[in-house]
Amino acid sequence: TQLLEQSPQFLSIQEGENLTVYCNSSSVFSSLQWYRQEPGEGPVLLVTVVTGGEVKKLKRLTFQFGDARKDSSLHITAAQTGDTGLYLCAGILFNNAGNMLTFGGGTRLMVKP
Amino acid sequence: DSGVTQTPKHLITATGQRVTLRCSPRSGDLSVYWYQQSLDQGLQFLIQYYNGEERAKGNILERFSAQQFPDLHSELNLSSLELGDSALYFCASSEGGGGTGELFFGEGSRLTVL
Repeated sequence: TQLLEQSPQFLSIQEGENLTVYCNSSSVFSSLQWYRQEPGEGPVLLVTVVTGGEVKKLKRLTFQFGDARKDSSLHITAAQTGDTGLYLCAGILFNNAGNMLTFGGGTRLMVKP
Repeated sequence: DSGVTQTPKHLITATGQRVTLRCSPRSGDLSVYWYQQSLDQGLQFLIQYYNGEERAKGNILERFSAQQFPDLHSELNLSSLELGDSALYFCASSEGGGGTGELFFGEGSRLTVL
C-alpha cells in the first residue's frame, strides 16, 4: 500500500464537467504538493499547501489541504481537453528529517471534447 | 523546459547488464533526486543528494547506486539489470535540501530491459 492513496486512479469525463481528485493518508504531512505530468514529460508543480485547512485557487483548479493535514483534494471546474494528464499528489511527512517527498500513485484524467 | 537535463532519453539493454543514467540539475540547484516510475508503482523515491552528499535514501536496491559530482551533476548506476527494472527514471532538482521547495523534473530516461 502507498503512503498516499489517490482516488480515483482513472477518470474520463466530457469537456465542461467538474471533477474532484482525492489524496488520502493516515499520516500527517508538513506540506503537500500537487503535480501534473503529461506523456513524455516530467511532473510539473501546480501548487504547494502547508497549512491545515488551506485552500488555494489556480484559475479553474482549487486545492484544499485537510484540517488534520492527512489529506488533500483537487477540484477542477469546467474541465478542458488541455487538463488531460496524470495528477500526482506528493507530501513531506511531518518530522521527516530527510525531507523526502513521497508521491501518491496518481490519477490519470482524460477530458474528451 | 524545466532546466533539468537527463541523458539518455531512451535505453534498451539486456538482463544482467549495467547502465548509467546522467542528470544535470538546474543552474544553482544543489539537490538532486532520483525517482523510478513504473506503470503499477507510481513515482518511487530512490535517493537524494545535496551538494555532493547523500541526504536521503528511499527504496533503492543494492544493485543501484548514485553519486553527485563536484559540478553537481549526478549519475544513477543500475547493475545486474532485471526485467522488472524497466521503467522511467526521473531526475529532479531543487535549490535547497528539501522542505516545501519545488522539485523541477527532467524529461526522464526510459529504460527497457529485454
